[in-house]
Amino acid sequence: EAEVAQSPRYKITEKSQAVAFWCDPISGHATLYWYRQILGQGPELLVQFQDESVVDDSQLPKDRFSAERLKGVDSTLKIQPAELGDSAMYLCASSPDGTGQGLKNTEAFFGQGTRLTVV
Amino acid sequence: RKEVEQDPGPFNVPEGATVAFNCTYSNSASQSFFWYRQDCRKEPKLLMSVYSSGNEDGRFTAQLNRASQYISLLIRDSKLSDSATYLCVVNEGNTPLVFGKGTRLSVIA
Repeated sequence: EAEVAQSPRYKITEKSQAVAFWCDPISGHATLYWYRQILGQGPELLVQFQDESVVDDSQLPKDRFSAERLKGVDSTLKIQPAELGDSAMYLCASSPDGTGQGLKNTEAFFGQGTRLTVV
Repeated sequence: RKEVEQDPGPFNVPEGATVAFNCTYSNSASQSFFWYRQDCRKEPKLLMSVYSSGNEDGRFTAQLNRASQYISLLIRDSKLSDSATYLCVVNEGNTPLVFGKGTRLSVIA
């Protein structure tokens, strides 16, 4: 069964350091999301890509976070510098492109996530 | 920002009980609705999509009320393995999925 791959699974970093996460979506999925989930909360969107283009990054703290999906396939999320409050689970998800195809209720498939601890 | 509201629980129910969760959403333009299940420290996984006509999958029934802008999930004959957090998810089509904060369910032997 096709899966969304994320690495690393766990990351511990010191505050003010740089950290990067990688995601490889399910093959053929045009839409890719990065979500952040704090313990006890629901996932919150950081950025949405459609192919290589950013569709929504309104909730991305752009002073320290950046995301790219250069070839419209895999994606990298970077934090620099990391802060204590960035400790969370970072989830990548992908879904088929429903635009113009009349697809409804198109689900998103999640990777296992990267658990970040900033110390 | 558009919101999805859920009772965080926890709901503590005995095995075999029936339990229902509700979720309200604020964006009347929402088109797609889902319930996701998330086990502790795991990623969310789709439990079921929610259709206008309602849908049932074994012990699970989902309903959508567009007029009142709420979604419900009913679990019959609860099992220990149903213990998890249930996330209500909404979107407008090609916009990002918006998640509720989740409802925790604990099924007790």
